[in-house]
Amino acid sequence: QQQVKQSPQSLIVQKGGISIINCAYENTAFDYFPWYQQFPGKGPALLIAIRPDVSEKKEGRFTISFNKSAKQFSLHIMDSQPGDSATYFCAALTSRQLTFGSGTQLTVLP
Amino acid sequence: DAGITQSPRHKVTETGTPVTLRCHQTENHRYMYWYRQDPGHGLRLIHYSYGVKDTDKGEVSDGYSVSRSKTEDFLLTLESATSSQTSVYFCAIGRQAGTEAFFGQGTRLTVV
Repeated sequence: QQQVKQSPQSLIVQKGGISIINCAYENTAFDYFPWYQQFPGKGPALLIAIRPDVSEKKEGRFTISFNKSAKQFSLHIMDSQPGDSATYFCAALTSRQLTFGSGTQLTVLP
Repeated sequence: DAGITQSPRHKVTETGTPVTLRCHQTENHRYMYWYRQDPGHGLRLIHYSYGVKDTDKGEVSDGYSVSRSKTEDFLLTLESATSSQTSVYFCAIGRQAGTEAFFGQGTRLTVV
């Protein structure tokens, strides 16, 4: 059974703070690791993604850190803003299937 | 939403009735997926398609069937709906294997 474990389940940070969400996987066949952002009533939207041959990828305030040997990856949101309040899902992809973590509900307080 | 339309957006149905959800894409992507989203479970794959008439089961396929007779349409059918199938259903599309998927707006299905 392919699994991606995500933590924490919920996260509250102050405006301007750093939000960190962690994921761990088991199947070494995963070769692509996207993060999705979902607002209430909407479908998940791709935020940022990384391949396992890279240890870090940064796009604006969003950074993925990837540790292949530990089979872990994390999303860092720098200078968190109230507009970042959403549910975040990590995911892992094999050649045909995308497997999701259980999600983290992020609340950024003004 | 990347040229993906799900219909209906909301549906209430009775236990034991058949239900069909439709996903229509205008992107000509090869891969199409059906997921369900439930609190505490994230998104779980029901079925996916890697081409016309080519489909395969996902993690939670029991009680669901799919069909893809055209590139642009992927249908999800609940043959006999049960209360455990109350959920939000998302369709997603992908251009090729090993790349990201793009999601529709979702269909909220309630089985009473």
